Amino acid sequence: GQQVMQIPQYQHVQEGEDFTTYCNSSTTLSNIQWYKQRPGGHPVFLIQLVKSGEVKKQKRLTFQFGEAKKNSSLHITATQTTDVGTYFCAGIDNNDMRFGAGTRLTVKP
Amino acid sequence: NAGVMQNPRHLVRRRGQEARLRCSPMKGHSHVYWYRQLPEEGLKFMVYLQKENIIDESGMPKERFSAEFPKEGPSILRIQQVVRGDSAAYFCASSPSTRGNEQFFGPGTRLTVL
Repeated sequence: GQQVMQIPQYQHVQEGEDFTTYCNSSTTLSNIQWYKQRPGGHPVFLIQLVKSGEVKKQKRLTFQFGEAKKNSSLHITATQTTDVGTYFCAGIDNNDMRFGAGTRLTVKP
Repeated sequence: NAGVMQNPRHLVRRRGQEARLRCSPMKGHSHVYWYRQLPEEGLKFMVYLQKENIIDESGMPKERFSAEFPKEGPSILRIQQVVRGDSAAYFCASSPSTRGNEQFFGPGTRLTVL
């Protein structure tokens, strides 16, 4: 079945540094979603990517979907303490949806 | 417009007892999903339900766990004869249609088994 791998598992950065998390699927995806979970909170939807090679931006966050629709990335420019949390990708393939294990981001002020 | 509601938010059970977790999806949503999250770990899919139907239960343990989403009322995740390893956060999510759409998560139920 479909597997979604996410790296790194943890990332600790100094405030102002950039951060990237990567998501790789064992199968070609129809679309991919990204979620953020603050410490002690619940996952919250950030964005969905559908098209091959798609790039979307939300302020300091840039989301990319690979040309082969098997990988995706989330890049945060100039991290802030409010970016702390775990970022999950979720790959959708034939109506099957699987979450990656998440990347836990900590930011040192 | 209320979001996904889960109750209780915290549940303490002794080994061997039953745990019942409830989830009320967002208004207009007929698809419900249950996930389990162990401390410091990711989300593990358990089950996907539509009203009165289980669509995908590939993530559910074979024994002691069951889920339902009746025509009326909330979705229920039931864990019988709980063990310490069942201690986790259980999140419910809902969507208006198929699984490929954005899922709205509830605040979760934190289950502690003593």
